[in-house]
Amino acid sequence: QVQLVESGGGLVKPGGSLRLSCAASGFTFSDYYMSWVRQAPGKGLEWVSFISGTSTYTDYADSVLGRFSISRDNAKNSLYLQMNSLRAEDTAVYYCARVMGQQLYDYWGLGTLVTVSS
Amino acid sequence: EIVMTQSPATLPVSPGERATLSCRASQSVTSNLAWYQQKPGQAPRLLIYGASTRATGIPARFSGSGFGTEFTLTISSLQSEDVAVYYCQQYNVWPPLAFGGGTKVEIK
Repeated sequence: QVQLVESGGGLVKPGGSLRLSCAASGFTFSDYYMSWVRQAPGKGLEWVSFISGTSTYTDYADSVLGRFSISRDNAKNSLYLQMNSLRAEDTAVYYCARVMGQQLYDYWGLGTLVTVSS
Repeated sequence: EIVMTQSPATLPVSPGERATLSCRASQSVTSNLAWYQQKPGQAPRLLIYGASTRATGIPARFSGSGFGTEFTLTISSLQSEDVAVYYCQQYNVWPPLAFGGGTKVEIK
């Protein structure tokens, strides 16, 4: 069965960096776009970034453009999110999600919490 | 950028009654509209895509309708396990991908 397991979250100071990982299993990872979606405490869902199966195409929300970088390693069935210059407003649970067809999400991980605070 | 607006913010419904949730897009998204359910402490789950197609394993009491800018998610007979926040998402024009603000369904 499809499984997505995020890791790498934690407490970081403003201006700091963090790298999130998502381990995928149960499907042919390289066949799918993948995405990161975040949810601030008590708030709604916000799309962050996506990447194509071969890493040819990536895109980012304006709120993270220039600070975050998405990547993947198909040999390791893993998705990554490098987050630099973190701000308090980046505090959220970060979900890894598999993209089905046209940018909708059919499987989600349980999420990893990132807290940006001094 | 397309903005998705959901109403109401909170919807109290008695067990066994019908729940009707609305989602409006700021411009047409044709039928490229999905609904997700998020129970407390859990990740979102895909319920509906293509405005009206149930995802795998979703009970028949969940149905979606609409086209263009106006969409509805209906729960025909609310069960206690349906207490959750429901989000709509357009995927017709991206980036950015846009979610609505959510509707919280609670037991009256």
